[in-house]
Amino acid sequence: DTEVTQTPKHLVMGMTNKKSLKCEQHMGHRAMYWYKQKAKKPPELMFVYSYEKLSINESVPSRFSPECPNSSLLNLHLHALQPEDSALYLCASSPTQGGEQYFGPGTRLTVT
Amino acid sequence: GENVEQHPSTLSVQEGDSAVIKCTYSDSASNYFPWYKQELGKGPQLIIDIRSNVGEKKDQRIAVTLNKTAKHFSLHITETQPEDSAVYFCAARGTTDSWGKLQFGAGTQVVVTP
Repeated sequence: DTEVTQTPKHLVMGMTNKKSLKCEQHMGHRAMYWYKQKAKKPPELMFVYSYEKLSINESVPSRFSPECPNSSLLNLHLHALQPEDSALYLCASSPTQGGEQYFGPGTRLTVT
Repeated sequence: GENVEQHPSTLSVQEGDSAVIKCTYSDSASNYFPWYKQELGKGPQLIIDIRSNVGEKKDQRIAVTLNKTAKHFSLHITETQPEDSAVYFCAARGTTDSWGKLQFGAGTQVVVTP
């Protein structure tokens, strides 16, 4: 089973709202990733967690705050977003950092 | 860091024909090359990958070839079907970054017409 699940599927939020995106995998993978994907573009890496510790932060603005409560869960907390942050947010996992990555279906985020 | 170029950006094929997508990479030390298929409204799906110690890999109608000397790799889809219509991304994992980040190509929109 190579399933990564993400909730919610769609999210509309105002610029003053606080919301969270959730990601879960039960494959025993020890690395988890957040990507942002704009229309007709490839995914852009945001964060990497390895063994529940933040390993990579690709200079992402502080209005995006990742959290890894345990080896199966990854959250992305959103606060004071801008309309240009509207995108598909993808979670991925891999057995170890740098291994083959499996993506979830994504959360379509719209910031109004 | 690694740079990946992907061609063509769009590809229209008749059902039953073959499709070929080509990617070139810049880091000669790159050692892992996955291909992803992304259907409309879905996340990217890993369909095949190849490592630098292998020249070719096949999985049913899909094959990937790697030419390390020329620094390019290709995806071949034979006997295309309408359900092969999607955006395909190639990627390369370089070694100049501390952990080997995946660098994606720009994507190829494949349309298979019945």
